[in-house]
Amino acid sequence: EVQLVQSGAEVKKPGESLKISCKGSGYSFTSYWIGWVRQMPGKGPEWMGIIYPGDSETKYSPSFQGQVTISADKSINTAYLQWSRLKASDIAMYYCARHRGDGYNPFDYWGQGTLVTVSS
Amino acid sequence: DIQMTQSPSSLSASVGDRVTITCRASQSIRNFLNWYQQKPGKAPKFLIYAASSLQSGVPSRFNGSGSGTDFTLTISSLQPEDFATYYCQQTYSSPPYTFGQGTKLEI
Repeated sequence: EVQLVQSGAEVKKPGESLKISCKGSGYSFTSYWIGWVRQMPGKGPEWMGIIYPGDSETKYSPSFQGQVTISADKSINTAYLQWSRLKASDIAMYYCARHRGDGYNPFDYWGQGTLVTVSS
Repeated sequence: DIQMTQSPSSLSASVGDRVTITCRASQSIRNFLNWYQQKPGKAPKFLIYAASSLQSGVPSRFNGSGSGTDFTLTISSLQPEDFATYYCQQTYSSPPYTFGQGTKLEI
């Protein structure tokens, strides 16, 4: 069974750094792109970027380029999303999801989400 | 970036109704269009890919159609578990693979 399990909710202060994780199981982790999606309160999903754990190639949305870093450690089947300096505007639910990789690239499996709260 | 616009933003319906949600792309995306369902407090669930192909396990009352810039998601006979928010997403060409803003289906 394919599963993506994300790290738990985080409460941080503005300016702090943060790294959240997404551990894949039940499939060949290095053979599928993993993406990150932001969903701000009451809003639709926003595609942030993707990583191919096999070689760590990454692609970012221009809206998120330079604002976050996506990485992966294929030895432990885990992808990461990190911030160097959080802002109040980063408050959101963040999901990881697997790109099916069939050309149409839907996100076919999703993590349960990680809620990030930023407050002074 | 390709912009995706859904209409309506919200829709009231009853069990047994037939409903249609529309998604329009800012340029042609051929049939690189996916649909998701999201319930409160849950991750989105993948329903349809390639505009009209149902993901395994998705009930046949869900139907997707369209190509180019205009797409629809139709639910033929609403069931209680279908009340949720629906999102389209384009995956044409290169990223970012943008989502629509959503359509909330309410009783």
